[in-house]
Amino acid sequence: QKEVEQNSGPLSVPEGAIASLNCTYSDRGSQSFFWYRQYSGKSPELIMFIYSNGDKEDGRFTAQLNKASQYVSLLIRDSQPSDSATYLCAVPYTGGFKTIFGAGTRLFVKA
Amino acid sequence: NAGVMQNPRHLVRRRGQEARLRCSPMKGHSHVYWYRQLPEEGLKFMVYLQKENIIDESGMPKERFSAEFPKEGPSILRIQQVVRGDSAAYFCASSQRQFSTDTQYFGPGTRLTVL
Repeated sequence: QKEVEQNSGPLSVPEGAIASLNCTYSDRGSQSFFWYRQYSGKSPELIMFIYSNGDKEDGRFTAQLNKASQYVSLLIRDSQPSDSATYLCAVPYTGGFKTIFGAGTRLFVKA
Repeated sequence: NAGVMQNPRHLVRRRGQEARLRCSPMKGHSHVYWYRQLPEEGLKFMVYLQKENIIDESGMPKERFSAEFPKEGPSILRIQQVVRGDSAAYFCASSQRQFSTDTQYFGPGTRLTVL
């Protein structure tokens, strides 16, 4: 059973701080990893994807991937109240065509 | 708007009725995925389709659920004889290609309530 695990949270950080969201996955063959943001009652929207070990930066967001440890994280710098949402880690399953989503981490950024 | 479209946005059905959910992928996309999301839970893969073909339906219950993506028209997720446990948000996503690195773009979802 391929799994993607995230801390459900809630993770609460003050405005301006760095929020760190973590995700582990069980499929050693996984090659690409996605972070989606989902506001309450809305659909997921892509934040970033990463497929190489190391860091990938896009504005205030940095994705970090460590395939040896089967670990991917998302850092949000200078967190804003508008970043308050659920963040979903998604990993395409190498044995088929489906993408496995984690249950998501709820982030609250306090003004 | 060239985004993924889903309708209806909200659907109320009584137990035993049928629910039909529609999804029109983004322009130029021929790969469609359906997901179900229960309250306070993550997205669960249901089915992956290309035009006129079901490629992977491993996440879809064997009974009462079916999906299609005809040559013309939207993809349809059909739930027969709905039960209260079917109440959830159903999201459709589309992608341009069938590669693991290809981004899936989500529609606004259909919120199904079974009374």
